[in-house]
Amino acid sequence: DAMVIQNPRYQVTQFGKPVTLSCSQTLNHNVMYWYQQKSSQAPKLLFHYYDKDFNNEADTPDNFQSRRPNTSFCFLDIRSPGLGDAAMYLCATSRETGEETQYFGPGTRLLVL
Amino acid sequence: AQKVTQAQTEISVVEKEDVTLDCVYETRDTTYYLFWYKQPPSGELVFLIRRNSFDEQNEISGRYSWNFQKSTSSFNFTITASQVVDSAVYFCALSAREGTGANSKLTFGKGITLSVRP
Repeated sequence: DAMVIQNPRYQVTQFGKPVTLSCSQTLNHNVMYWYQQKSSQAPKLLFHYYDKDFNNEADTPDNFQSRRPNTSFCFLDIRSPGLGDAAMYLCATSRETGEETQYFGPGTRLLVL
Repeated sequence: AQKVTQAQTEISVVEKEDVTLDCVYETRDTTYYLFWYKQPPSGELVFLIRRNSFDEQNEISGRYSWNFQKSTSSFNFTITASQVVDSAVYFCALSAREGTGANSKLTFGKGITLSVRP
């Protein structure tokens, strides 16, 4: 089945230790998004790629970076995780931006010790 | 600016009861899209429905139904004969360009936690 896959499902890292979360998709969608979701809150968009074009949200901290080496894969790099970065990280894809439906992966729950 | 309000934060019902989740939206755009997503305890956001602003026809899918009313800027979601498996957080979301020509983003409401008790 076509889908959005995120690995790992759970990630534990240490304060200040770089961590990378991965997302892959078999939908062949142009757009890939990364969201951060903290407990009891709505998902918050960090950035998205339209093909190779990177679009950062104005309030996304510099600590968060992303790479999209090809259509199928997208990575979220947190350069120096702080305790406040503990959250669920959700990857989503859509065929186009805007009104197109976004399809989400299962998420990676990040714990920072 | 676009905004989605889900005034209910938590709802608890007994199995087999009907329950309606409210969603009110704001946008200046005349073309926009509304969505409902379900987030079970596992964390994945599951897409339920997408509706464009020109289609006010209500939709029914099994036990789920949606009532879209432009006059009141509402897009409410009803679960008939609720089941324990319906327990989840439900998000309403809006996508609109706001006339800037820029690619529109998905604006989420704060979500409603639905608990269905046996």
